Amino acid sequence: GENVEQHPSTLSVQEGDSAVIKCTYSDSASNYFPWYKQELGKGPQLIIDIRSNVGEKKDQRIAVTLNKTAKHFSLHITETQPEDSAVYFCAADERDDKIIFGKGTRLHILP
Amino acid sequence: DTGVSQNPRHKITKRGQNVTFRCDPISEHNRLYWYRQTLGQGPEFLTYFQNEAQLEKSRLLSDRFSAERPKGSFSTLEIQRTEQGDSAMYLCAGGGGTSGIFYNEQFFGPGTRLTVL
Repeated sequence: GENVEQHPSTLSVQEGDSAVIKCTYSDSASNYFPWYKQELGKGPQLIIDIRSNVGEKKDQRIAVTLNKTAKHFSLHITETQPEDSAVYFCAADERDDKIIFGKGTRLHILP
Repeated sequence: DTGVSQNPRHKITKRGQNVTFRCDPISEHNRLYWYRQTLGQGPEFLTYFQNEAQLEKSRLLSDRFSAERPKGSFSTLEIQRTEQGDSAMYLCAGGGGTSGIFYNEQFFGPGTRLTVL
């Protein structure tokens, strides 16, 4: 089955700087790659996703890139703000549309 | 707010007791997924439904776990004879809307935190 590796596990960036989180996946048949943000005590919130027919997608300060050949994808957050502090999960779909998650990255935005 | 609700939000039980959690997705969600999340980990897939049909249950953690979605709307997850290792956050997600393009998007509820004493 699908295996998703995510790094770093913890990331601290100065407010206003950019943050990058990287993930790799194992199943070349995966076609859907969502990213979730989880705040303390809440369920994961879908913030952006990318499908295998595109290499990059952007939504305001958030962008995702996908390299299907290398089987890796990344989340980029620019102009970070205090409210970006949270745990971020990457994920990839497995056959029958299950989603397999990485272990998460705890992002700290420093004042 | 995704519109997916879960009840109860917190449950404390003694080892050996049975517990049942409920998930209510929005009406457009013909798919419903259950996950378990332990501290410091990502959500771990357990099972999912397409309408009332349970399409995969091989990843339910043991035969003490069962799930139902009798009318294709709300779903319940039951854990029998709870053990301390069952302590975790149990999340459900709705998805698979009527649009074929976005069929695999999943929207999570707030979760039920289970503590087994």
